[in-house]
Amino acid sequence: GAVVSQHPSRVICKSGTSVKIECRSLDFQATTMFWYRQFPKKSLMLMATSNEGSKATYEQGVEKDKFLINHASLTLSTLTVTSAHPEDSSFYICSASMGSPDTQYFGPGTRLTVL
Amino acid sequence: RKEVEQDPGPFNVPEGATVAFNCTYSNSASQSFFWYRQDCRKEPKLLMSVYSSGNEDGRFTAQLNRASQYISLLIRDSKLSDSATYLCVVNRYNQGGKLIFGQGTELSVKP
Repeated sequence: GAVVSQHPSRVICKSGTSVKIECRSLDFQATTMFWYRQFPKKSLMLMATSNEGSKATYEQGVEKDKFLINHASLTLSTLTVTSAHPEDSSFYICSASMGSPDTQYFGPGTRLTVL
Repeated sequence: RKEVEQDPGPFNVPEGATVAFNCTYSNSASQSFFWYRQDCRKEPKLLMSVYSSGNEDGRFTAQLNRASQYISLLIRDSKLSDSATYLCVVNRYNQGGKLIFGQGTELSVKP
C-alpha cells in the first residue's frame, strides 16, 4: 500500500516551454502533498506544500508564478514549470501524506532537462 | 550554516565492515528524526525512524542525542547492497511539519 506515482518520469523540453508533472497517490487519499527539487549531489529541497482544495504554501526563494501547483483532488497534485530555463533542469520529487507530517510517501521522481 | 549537516563522505568500505554516519541539526524545535536511503537517480526511501532511546533494526542502529543535537547511524556487517546515499532527515512541527534533508553521505561497499 501507500504508492505514489509521478508522470512523466523523464522529460526533455526546449527553453521557454512549460512542463507539467503529475503526482498521484494510487491507493490512499493524500491530504497533503509536497514538492521537492534535487540538484546533482545536493540535498532534497522542499519547494512547496499543498493541501487539497487550497493554495500551496511556497518555501522562501521559490517563485510561485514560475512553479504552479494545483491540488484539485485528494489523489492528484500537479506542478507546472512555466517558461522553463536550463537552470530549472533538476530532479523533481513529490511526496504525499495522509495527515501525519512524519510519514511521507515519495514518488519515483521526474527528471527534467531543459535545453 | 545548514540546518542538517552530515559527514561529507564518500565512505568506501569492504564487505563486512562496520560503518558509522553522523549528523547534526541546528534547530532545537526539531521533533522527529529519520534516516532515509537514496539510490542513484531514485527517490528517497525511509530506512528507519530515530528515537531518543536508540533503536535497532537488524544490522542498523540509530541513536539520537537531543542535548547535543546529534544523530547517528551504524551499519554492521556491510553488504554490497548497502551501497547508497544515506540522508539524515528532521521534521520541524512548528512550521507545519516539513522534512528537512541533509545533503547525504555516500556509501560504497566493495567486495
